[in-house]
Amino acid sequence: DIQMTQSPSTLSASVGDRVTITCRASLSISTWLAWYQQKPGKPPKLLIYKASILESGVPSRFSGSGSGTEFTLTISSLQADDSATYYCQQYKSYLELTFGGGTKVEIK
Amino acid sequence: EVQLVESGGGLIQPGGSLRLSCAASGFTVSTSYMSWVRQAPDKGLEWVSVIHSDGYTSSADSVKGRFTISRDNSKNTLYLQMNSLRAEDTAFYYCARAPAAHYGSDYWGQGTLVTVSS
Repeated sequence: DIQMTQSPSTLSASVGDRVTITCRASLSISTWLAWYQQKPGKPPKLLIYKASILESGVPSRFSGSGSGTEFTLTISSLQADDSATYYCQQYKSYLELTFGGGTKVEIK
Repeated sequence: EVQLVESGGGLIQPGGSLRLSCAASGFTVSTSYMSWVRQAPDKGLEWVSVIHSDGYTSSADSVKGRFTISRDNSKNTLYLQMNSLRAEDTAFYYCARAPAAHYGSDYWGQGTLVTVSS
């Protein structure tokens, strides 16, 4: 089984800050990784797939990078609307689709 | 417009069974990768099961042998049959679709709550 470890579990930053969230896979998943944003009471929203491809309609301040076992989600200039919990998900071969534990982003 | 609408959740006693449905519109379930994902109250996301466009299915170890994912192409609907339910299965259950194997899940339903309690 592939385990996904996200860090940090929470972060607090100011509007305009650059924010980075890390996701590590327990074994190589190539670039089979997606990032989601979830706000309270809502389903997750796809931000990025295949590690670095921005989903249509997602603001360009969001970007993803990495391959193999190390991945990052970056918000280049944090906005108030970005307050949410972010999850990574691996989908190697679509046989098991493991989520990371989540990162809660708070606005100072 | 793509829509996913889950139903079938509710309160069920431990050991009981429940079938969740996910009615899809705006796309074809049988040509997509469809997943069930759950979220216990105030907890993170947990993948449950997936069905590929070719009909291949896979489930998480935590539900293997108890939950079965399936679809009805004529109704364009996804199902999750849940047997031998446990308290730890209490969660919101979401259905989600991915248009292809290289994609993430781009559309999600609003979720249905399953509560397992005596």
